[in-house]
Amino acid sequence: EIVLTQSPATLSLSPGERATLSCRTSQNINTYLAWYQQKPGQAPRLLIYDASKRATGIPARFSGSGSRTDFTLTIASLEPEDYAIYYCQIRSSLVSFGAGTKVQIK
Amino acid sequence: QAQLTQSGAEVKKPGASVRVSCTASGYNFPNYYLHWVRQAPGQGLEWMGWINPKSDVTHYSQKFQGRVTMAKDTSINTAYMELTSLTSDDTATYFCASGTSTVYFYYMDVWGKGTTVTVSS
Repeated sequence: EIVLTQSPATLSLSPGERATLSCRTSQNINTYLAWYQQKPGQAPRLLIYDASKRATGIPARFSGSGSRTDFTLTIASLEPEDYAIYYCQIRSSLVSFGAGTKVQIK
Repeated sequence: QAQLTQSGAEVKKPGASVRVSCTASGYNFPNYYLHWVRQAPGQGLEWMGWINPKSDVTHYSQKFQGRVTMAKDTSINTAYMELTSLTSDDTATYFCASGTSTVYFYYMDVWGKGTTVTVSS
């Protein structure tokens, strides 16, 4: 089973700042990685798939990068609605999620 | 617009079983894997398994093998997840989710709102 390690667990930033979230996998997964955003009381929302492709309707301030075992989600300039928990997920017949990074207001 | 509609909240006693339904609309349900993901209170996302609605093939997380059954009825675009031998550790919100395009294979771009299952004596 592939293990996903997200860091940091919590990120405290002010609106307008840049957020950089990390996801590391225990095995090479090429670019088969997605990022999701989840707000309290809501279902997750797909942001990025295949490491760097934005899902339909996702604002351009969200970008993904990386390959093999190291991946990054960047939010270029935080908007008030971006404060949430972010999860990474591998694309595999055996799906797995990271533990999440909470982005909170500083 | 693709949508997944889940059944309502459940309260079960330890040792019981629960069945949650998930009805798809706005996309071609048989063509895309349907996943089940759960989330315990204050915890992260935990993938339980998927079903291929076209072939009936299922793939379960090892953690739930022997306790979970996923099924579908393509005539009404509905998937089901049954979990048996419930304990308090199964108290969680259960989501169904699917990718609705070939580019989203094994990803999930549409989610149900979740079904809360509470296990309590």
